[in-house]
Amino acid sequence: GESVGLHLPTLSVQEGDNSIINCAYSNSASDYFIWYKQESGKGPQFIIDIRSNMDKRQGQRVTVLLNKTVKHLSLQIAATQPGDSAVYFCAENKETGANNLFFGTGTRLTVIP
Amino acid sequence: DADVTQTPRNRITKTGKRIMLECSQTKGHDRMYWYRQDPGLGLRLIYYSFDVKDINKGEISDGYSVSRQAQAKFSLSLESAIPNQTALYFCATSGTRGGSYEQYFGPGTRLTVT
Repeated sequence: GESVGLHLPTLSVQEGDNSIINCAYSNSASDYFIWYKQESGKGPQFIIDIRSNMDKRQGQRVTVLLNKTVKHLSLQIAATQPGDSAVYFCAENKETGANNLFFGTGTRLTVIP
Repeated sequence: DADVTQTPRNRITKTGKRIMLECSQTKGHDRMYWYRQDPGLGLRLIYYSFDVKDINKGEISDGYSVSRQAQAKFSLSLESAIPNQTALYFCATSGTRGGSYEQYFGPGTRLTVT
């Protein structure tokens, strides 16, 4: 099975609220994590990444949190907008310094206007 | 123009036919990848190439082959297509600078094998 998995396959939030998408990983050797957004009919699009020497990284309206103790990754989206509706994937490299990515199964985020 | 392009975007073929999916990139990246995406299974790596002379199998390479014709081109072939190869196929590229392993994805090819 996949070492990267998501606690919730679907998430619905009201427009303007904050969204939190969670991801669990099992490989302690992973030192790189990344979040992608995939809109219907399109390829995955980079959102934000984080290395294992960091606990938190912020982008524009997004924050990624990494908890290595419990092997947990989360993506927080502030003031969620209808355009944020998509499937979100987390991925890890599974091996220290490795370039290949291993993807989770995804969470579908639906923003309710 | 898109940085990573895939052709065709959609293809319907019959069992036993040979199919080639093509990928081109203008990002100047050395590394290229082929993934398949199935509902509920996320993206799974088929093959990857770190340069023109370097080809490696991924998680699910059986039934597939690849060719890296040039730095900018990486094609995926299904020698004898079967129905369970019906899926969405993505090509991706990545560079080797800045410590980021970010991969840039193409728009995908939807393949149906009947």
